[in-house]
Amino acid sequence: QQQVKQSPQSLIVQKGGISIINCAYENTAFDYFPWYQQFPGKGPALLIAIRPDVSEKKEGRFTISFNKSAKQFSLHIMDSQPGDSATYFCAIGGFKTIFGAGTRLFVKA
Amino acid sequence: DTEVTQTPKHLVMGMTNKKSLKCEQHMGHRAMYWYKQKAKKPPELMFVYSYEKLSINESVPSRFSPECPNSSLLNLHLHALQPEDSALYLCASSQEPRGNTEAFFGQGTRLTVV
Repeated sequence: QQQVKQSPQSLIVQKGGISIINCAYENTAFDYFPWYQQFPGKGPALLIAIRPDVSEKKEGRFTISFNKSAKQFSLHIMDSQPGDSATYFCAIGGFKTIFGAGTRLFVKA
Repeated sequence: DTEVTQTPKHLVMGMTNKKSLKCEQHMGHRAMYWYKQKAKKPPELMFVYSYEKLSINESVPSRFSPECPNSSLLNLHLHALQPEDSALYLCASSQEPRGNTEAFFGQGTRLTVV
């Protein structure tokens, strides 16, 4: 059973553009919604996370938007840079962490 | 120090070999995890250790045997693996043994079973 659905599977964005990745979840028992960034050959690293009592969180160029009623959350990367090219995983955290399928982002110079 | 250190970085082993993966953290975290990640897939949880005790085993085959000698160390003993077990094995730790706290991941061990 897929508890978190992530889209798109891959994304190509021009340098300076906005990258948007979406996730939808089913179970409301989760109370932590992190995004992880993974470069090839490396482990995932926490990028930004949100708890369900807020609708938006911004850290630098990265913003999470959270819609509790729709059970959806998204990652926006503003002014995307080639160095942002990586795989991004949304996750839902409660008793344990469940990852989305991942989005491979490529930012063209 | 916010690092989770895994050794070795790469491992090639035969199907009859016995080997161990090691993981170390010095952040005082009380939860440690093993994940398996196949190419182009998300990490899959294998084991969770909470306060040095095994609290979750996600129906992992017995050819994988975890061990937590102390609060800073986590091992994964491998025996009689199959080629399909080839993957990136990730160790992680978190303050509390729940999924609603930040998890810190190591760089992983790239395992190839031949």
